[in-house]
Amino acid sequence: EAGVVQSPRYKIIEKKQPVAFWCNPISGHNTLYWYLQNLGQGPELLIRYENEEAVDDSQLPKDRFSAERLKGVDSTLKIQPAELGDSAVYLCASSLWSPTGPNTGELFFGEGSRLTVL
Amino acid sequence: KQEVTQIPAALSVPEGENLVLNCSFTDSAIYNLQWFRQDPGKGLTSLLLIQSSQREQTSGRLNASLDKSSGRSTLYIAASQPGDSATYLCAANSGYALNFGKGTSLLVTP
Repeated sequence: EAGVVQSPRYKIIEKKQPVAFWCNPISGHNTLYWYLQNLGQGPELLIRYENEEAVDDSQLPKDRFSAERLKGVDSTLKIQPAELGDSAVYLCASSLWSPTGPNTGELFFGEGSRLTVL
Repeated sequence: KQEVTQIPAALSVPEGENLVLNCSFTDSAIYNLQWFRQDPGKGLTSLLLIQSSQREQTSGRLNASLDKSSGRSTLYIAASQPGDSATYLCAANSGYALNFGKGTSLLVTP
């Protein structure tokens, strides 16, 4: 079974340029997460989707970041314009959410997209 | 907000030793706790998931325990090997997403 697939793995851009990351979750997983990981730190949640709905985007810097999950499967995360401080690894994860309550499922992560902003 | 702390931040042990990694969390109302491994430049690999109703989970040489009331979890690695060298992260699920610690960087020397 294929795992969570992310692309691109690496991206180098100049500041003020736009960038987009793509994520394909594990088949059948209806919950998708975007996390940000800085060097030497644990991942921090940016946004969580249940199917097509963004149920938690409180940590997403909405002035420059946007995300979408069309048809409740693939997702894209966009930054426009990028700033130097956005250099980090952007991780996508998915899980199977239980309709009977909060998610108790196991999260599976992709390899991440490493962004360098010059 | 859930705060997750991992101790120690780094650990170096000779091959063959048994070792314990510690994880503590501030809000005991968690639904599960998950341990991950992260190799340099890679994503996170799930090692063990402990549901809130469970006390421990085992996979091969790994054993994770959970004490919700005290807000603690431990990851026990038996007979460590150089291939175990990586960063180990714990994450507490307080309802809708995981809150991560900063990880323990483990080096197992031959």
